[in-house]
Amino acid sequence: DGGITQSPKYLFRKEGQNVTLSCEQNLNHDAMYWYRQDPGQGLRLIYYSQIVNDFQKGDIAEGYSVSREKKESFPLTVTSAQKNPTAFYLCASSLVGQPQHFGDGTRLSIL
Amino acid sequence: AQSVTQLDSHVSVSEGTPVLLRCNYSSSYSPSLFWYVQHPNKGLQLLLKYTSAATLVKGINGFEAEFKKSETSFHLTKPSAHMSDAAEYFCVVNYHTGGGNKLTFGTGTQLKVEL
Repeated sequence: DGGITQSPKYLFRKEGQNVTLSCEQNLNHDAMYWYRQDPGQGLRLIYYSQIVNDFQKGDIAEGYSVSREKKESFPLTVTSAQKNPTAFYLCASSLVGQPQHFGDGTRLSIL
Repeated sequence: AQSVTQLDSHVSVSEGTPVLLRCNYSSSYSPSLFWYVQHPNKGLQLLLKYTSAATLVKGINGFEAEFKKSETSFHLTKPSAHMSDAAEYFCVVNYHTGGGNKLTFGTGTQLKVEL
């Protein structure tokens, strides 16, 4: 079945550590997105990519980095510069102009 | 700037009674509108979408929504709630600009269904 796979499901970060969240899709979608979800705030866009080797900052990009070396993959790195990283992170993908499909998320916590 | 407002953060209904989840948007352009549902610790699933065709949109699991331009509303309804409908619901707006396919999310409505 086609879909979006996020891993790991749960992740713990130590102080000063960078961690990378994986997102893979086999839907042949050009566009991919990363969102952060906090209670009562809905989803906020971190980064998005409309094509391989190109990506743009979203509304809350500070403290995060991404790469898009393959169409299927859009990993997100939460750097030590992100001072409040505890959240639920959702990856999505879409064809241009079509609704976004979401993965099941990664919950990041601080040790 | 675009925005979307979900008027209720929590809605509680009895099983078998109607569901109404309210959503209003601000618009300078003609938007596409969506409702997504999220069950605990899961991603978002598309319920239905409005893309300037029929103003009454039918979705999955018996949900539907009506686009009312004069009221800038896109309320979600279901005639009869089921226990499995308990989840969080997001109203989402997609504005067609030169910047691509970017979404603005409402803050969500938590639906509780009681026996």
